Amino acid sequence: EVQLVESGGDLVKPGGSLRLSCAVSGFTFSNAWMTWVRQAPGKGLECVGLSISKPDGGTTHYTAPVKGRFTISGDDSKNTLYLQMSSLKTEDTAVYYCAMSLLPGAFDIWGQGTTVTVSA
Amino acid sequence: DIVLTQTPLSSPVTLGQPASFSCRSSQSLEQNDGNTLLTWLQQRPGQPPRLLIHRISNRFSGVPDRFSGSGAGTDFTLKISRVEAEDVGVYYCMQVTQFPYTFGQGTKLEIK
Repeated sequence: EVQLVESGGDLVKPGGSLRLSCAVSGFTFSNAWMTWVRQAPGKGLECVGLSISKPDGGTTHYTAPVKGRFTISGDDSKNTLYLQMSSLKTEDTAVYYCAMSLLPGAFDIWGQGTTVTVSA
Repeated sequence: DIVLTQTPLSSPVTLGQPASFSCRSSQSLEQNDGNTLLTWLQQRPGQPPRLLIHRISNRFSGVPDRFSGSGAGTDFTLKISRVEAEDVGVYYCMQVTQFPYTFGQGTKLEIK
């Protein structure tokens, strides 16, 4: 069974940095397309970034609100995907989910989420 | 960016009755290869999202057959044939046709 476990969420001041982890078990993460999705308190879902599988090029892509501030990377030895967040703003406060696409064209595996709070 | 608009935003339904949710896209979600990457997700209270339907109408593994998806191009529908108590939550459409991937605002299913 494939499982995703996020960690690293915390309370951080505006302008600060944080690194979120998405530990993958049951599948080699670099062989899958993975995305980071966030949900602000009481709001809907918003994709912030995409990691394309190594066989398909291994590139990363970001949405406009986080481009230049967030970076997706991975550690093959730990089978873990990361989301490095810098220059954090109060509007980045959200639950952050990682999700994996084992099914082409859909994100079918989701983690439980980790909470990031940006506040002075 | 592709904008997905869901209606209604709230849907009070009697147990055992059907429910229907609409998702309209600002542009066609059909790719050059003919695939339309429109998915439906369910988010129960306090839970992460869960995939229900992919490629418009394909039920994901373990999803009850009372859930069905339909549509084409820019107009899509999720139907629940007979609502059960465990169906309470928010339903999101999501397009994976073009990055940035986008979601509808969600439709909240409540029991009357």
